[in-house]
Amino acid sequence: DAKTTQPPSMDCAEGRAANLPCNHSTISGNEYVYWYRQIHSQGPQYIIHGLKNNETNEMASLIITEDRKSSTLILPHATLRDTAVYYCIVRLNSGGGADGLTFGKGTHLIIQP
Amino acid sequence: DGGITQSPKYLFRKEGQNVTLSCEQNLNHDAMYWYRQDPGQGLRLIYYSQIVNDFQKGDIAEGYSVSREKKESFPLTVTSAQKNPTAFYLCASSTGAGGNQPQHFGDGTRLSIL
Repeated sequence: DAKTTQPPSMDCAEGRAANLPCNHSTISGNEYVYWYRQIHSQGPQYIIHGLKNNETNEMASLIITEDRKSSTLILPHATLRDTAVYYCIVRLNSGGGADGLTFGKGTHLIIQP
Repeated sequence: DGGITQSPKYLFRKEGQNVTLSCEQNLNHDAMYWYRQDPGQGLRLIYYSQIVNDFQKGDIAEGYSVSREKKESFPLTVTSAQKNPTAFYLCASSTGAGGNQPQHFGDGTRLSIL
């Protein structure tokens, strides 16, 4: 799976949009971009994923650049409960082989009141 | 509620003991996974199972064993051969294997050595 690069930490004011960037310049054509978050001492929570097109669900939006080398996760109206470590992962679209997720160090997002 | 249940939340082990961590899901998912997380680190894959009665080693399977006798259950045994078992253990499941199938996680079991 391709490697991702994320800033180690970010701050965002409560009520504003939080935009979390991710660089995945070595992504291949059949790799998905996934976002998870983890609050301390809990399991990771799935947020969203996409291949080429932008995606939106009830939690967030995922914007993938046309060349697919980077993406941005957008939390439209951040709340204090959105404070967590956010992980950007690229994952091969294959049903065979070791099918695990590779988590890097992620971005620690801190929502300020 | 549908979801993944891991128990216990905290577990203590004496040196030389085997311990078994439970993972149950009622999501009707075919695939299940075990990960280990150390402080400040990402997740590492221990074992995974894509279907009942079949499982595969992940990146760090030494000192661990699993079984998959039922679709909803995937217990992990940490054996005495695992020299550094203190960690946060996470179980996940997905509808199937492959890049378009999100994995959903339980809330983990924290294992400590007495």
